[in-house]
Amino acid sequence: AQSVTQLGSHVSVSEGALVLLRCNYSSSVPPYLFWYVQYPNQGLQLLLKYTSAATLVKGINGFEAEFKKSETSFHLTKPSAHMSDAAEYFCAVSDHEAGNNRKLIWGLGTSLAVNP
Amino acid sequence: KAGVTQTPRYLIKTRGQQVTLSCSPISGHRSVSWYQQTPGQGLQFLFEYFSETQRNKGNFPGRFSGRQFSNSRSEMNVSTLELGDSALYLCASSLGVGETDTQYFGPGTRLTVL
Repeated sequence: AQSVTQLGSHVSVSEGALVLLRCNYSSSVPPYLFWYVQYPNQGLQLLLKYTSAATLVKGINGFEAEFKKSETSFHLTKPSAHMSDAAEYFCAVSDHEAGNNRKLIWGLGTSLAVNP
Repeated sequence: KAGVTQTPRYLIKTRGQQVTLSCSPISGHRSVSWYQQTPGQGLQFLFEYFSETQRNKGNFPGRFSGRQFSNSRSEMNVSTLELGDSALYLCASSLGVGETDTQYFGPGTRLTVL
């Protein structure tokens, strides 16, 4: 069965430092991959998505992610963290195996703290 | 354009009761999906509706049901509430049901079952 693993439930960085949030997936077929962000008391907002085009995907707010098939990874990065980046980040994969590309399988999330 | 709205934002119920949650999608969006979010299980897919028809369903008991109206608004119902149903219930809408159609999420309804 497909699954998503986010390494590190809590990540803390200093303002201006590199942000790296890790996501590994398991899938027997090329998946679609997504990163969403959730701010307190708000819904999830799509940061970026990989849909089998370019392996380096650029998203909103300066975030980007690289699809690496050999490593089954889709890590999220941002060169310089800002205080406003503090939030919960979720990685998700589309459920190709069930023939249901609309159903997303989610990681448990990574809480990002940005220290001044 | 207004985003996805969910009502109510907070609910407190007791075991055995039933509850109905409402979701209004972004204008023009015809697909609505529902998710349950809990600290232990994370986000789990409940079901998806498109043009008043349920297209997909997750692995939840029959106590969880939903429907979609002709204006694309959707409701989710949970009957015979259990303590474990306490969660944030998120609704997401998209234009259609294409594989890469972006899902836009509402702020959620936080349900507490006592």
